[in-house]
Amino acid sequence: AQKITQTQPGMFVQEKEAVTLDCTYDTSDQSYGLFWYKQPSSGEMIFLIYQGSYDEQNATEGRYSLNFQKARKSANLVISASQLGDSAMYFCAMRAGSQGNLIFGKGTKLSVKP
Amino acid sequence: DSGVTQTPKHLITATGQRVTLRCSPRSGDLSVYWYQQSLDQGLQFLIQYYNGEERAKGNILERFSAQQFPDLHSELNLSSLELGDSALYFCASSSHHPSKRLRDTQYFGPGTRLTVL
Repeated sequence: AQKITQTQPGMFVQEKEAVTLDCTYDTSDQSYGLFWYKQPSSGEMIFLIYQGSYDEQNATEGRYSLNFQKARKSANLVISASQLGDSAMYFCAMRAGSQGNLIFGKGTKLSVKP
Repeated sequence: DSGVTQTPKHLITATGQRVTLRCSPRSGDLSVYWYQQSLDQGLQFLIQYYNGEERAKGNILERFSAQQFPDLHSELNLSSLELGDSALYFCASSSHHPSKRLRDTQYFGPGTRLTVL
């Protein structure tokens, strides 16, 4: 069965510091994609970054980077230079094989302190 | 703004009633997905359409149904509503056939918050 696990229900980080949000996944498919979404208190889901199972390099998008460790089945999101606006729920998600839908973890609530 | 629109933004109704949630995908996107977000179940996939045809079903109750119209907008119908159906319902869209591109990104609408009293 395919599963996404986010073990940190909540995290605090000081403004301007870096923070790592953990995500582990489980799938028997060789081809899969991993996604991170941000959900602010307003409720919308905002796509942040993607990592494919065959990508040789870790994905980066501005202040977001993905620490992809395939052997450990982990895809941690790193946010550098945290800003107050980064306070939100963060969801890790996976699409595996030929399926179209995403499977989501339970999320991590990040709070950035001034 | 993702380009995906959902109406209404909020919906309050009573148990036993029927409601329809509407979604317009981003321009050019052929795939539409419906997800339910609740406190106890988290984000769960309900159903997917591609170019008017149903492609996949997730944890969708028999009381729920959906369709995608020729203009590609989609509607999610929820009937015989129960208290437990209260949730945030998201529509997401993507541009490619789901089996052709693993990295096909889904863009989410703002959601419809359904409250069943």
